[in-house]
Formats: sequence, structure tokens, C-alpha cells
Amino acid sequence: NAGVTQTPKFQVLKTGQSMTLQCAQDMNHEYMSWYRQDPGMGLRLIHYSVGAGITDQGEVPNGYNVSRSTTEDFPLRLLSAAPSQTSVYFCASSYSPAPTNEKLFFGSGTQLSVL
Amino acid sequence: AQKITQTQPGMFVQEKEAVTLDCTYDTSDPSYGLFWYKQPSSGEMIFLIYQGSYDQQNATEGRYSLNFQKARKSANLVISASQLGDSAMYFCAMYRGTSYGKLTFGQGTILTVHP
Repeated sequence: NAGVTQTPKFQVLKTGQSMTLQCAQDMNHEYMSWYRQDPGMGLRLIHYSVGAGITDQGEVPNGYNVSRSTTEDFPLRLLSAAPSQTSVYFCASSYSPAPTNEKLFFGSGTQLSVL
Repeated sequence: AQKITQTQPGMFVQEKEAVTLDCTYDTSDPSYGLFWYKQPSSGEMIFLIYQGSYDQQNATEGRYSLNFQKARKSANLVISASQLGDSAMYFCAMYRGTSYGKLTFGQGTILTVHP
């Protein structure tokens, strides 16, 4: 039972490069999301998906693209990396048809540095 | 809009004593959920406790309890009998309405437990 798997754990990019952060979950969760964590600011929601084929923007979506072709996978794409995107990225998932004690399951995070 | 405020950047507590971490929230939605997550130095996000806006009783999970004061819009985390392993960053988070996967996080509080 792997839970939420994020790859890679660490990545260094040059400004302007593109890359995809991978996220997969094996819990058949409908809801998946991406957050970034910056010092002193807590976690902020980048993009969000309520199911395959459905995505929505969060608080800080600029510079990031997502798609959800399967229930299991929710990749985050940086099309042209900028130093402001240096952060720790967390993927999370949840399954909740009702608002009762439904926590998010988090991946282990990806530390991204853009030079 | 919704907002979570954690006013204590850092807290110190003696081992075996209790500590309260503050969290206030702001939302006009009558239905919402409140979470506390722990992030140790390893970086993982660990779910601690959940409180729904319609729950009549304060949530408890082992040594963790949530002091939910709806009228004051506060959801403070109480850790009883602190342990050295409790030293970590603690985040308060909220969803509103049916957006179960879309959490808004506070800035976090760093808790240090002294022996």
C-alpha cells in the first residue's frame, strides 16, 4: 500500500527549463491536489482535481499546468521554470463523499530549486 | 474568502507539560472543516485531528484535542504531556463547503519541546 507517491524528491532546474512533477495514488481517491510550501507562508494550493478529466485552479496557479487523465495520476507541469518557483511541492489526495473527518493524504514532497 | 491565522511563530514547552497552539479562522460558510497537521524536520505532513463545523463536541485523538470555539472562530490545538518527538512545525488548515480537498493553511507554529 504505497499511498501517495511523488517523484522526484529533489530537482534543480535552470530558468526557462520545463519539467513535470509526478504524483500517483493507489487509494482510488477522487480528489487530488498540489500545494507549494514556502518559508513563513504555510502551504498554498496550486491546482486541484475532483476526478479524472476535471481540474480547477487554486490560490497560486500561474506558471503551472495540470491534467488528470486517470484517477491515479495527477502530474504538475512547469512549462518555463522561474526562480520564484523554488519551493517544496506536495501532492495530496482524499476521498470524501461526505464532510466527515476526511483528511488529506500527502506525498513526501519534492524540493525544487530554480537557478 | 477564507483565512487561517496562526499568531505564534514559535512556542516552547517543557517535556510532559501541556501546550496550546492557537488558530483562528475566517469564513462566512456555515459548513467547514478544520484540521491540524504536524510536519517534523523530515518534511512529511502528518494528520493529527479534525473538527467539523457541525460537530457538537471537541475532537480528541490521543494526546491531541481541539478546543473549538465556534463563536470566536478559533480552533486551538492542545497537546497534553508533551514529548520530545512533538518538536515540529504545526499547521492549522480549513476547507469550506464541499471543497474537501481544497485546504487553506495557516503560516504554521514551530513547537520546541525541552527535556
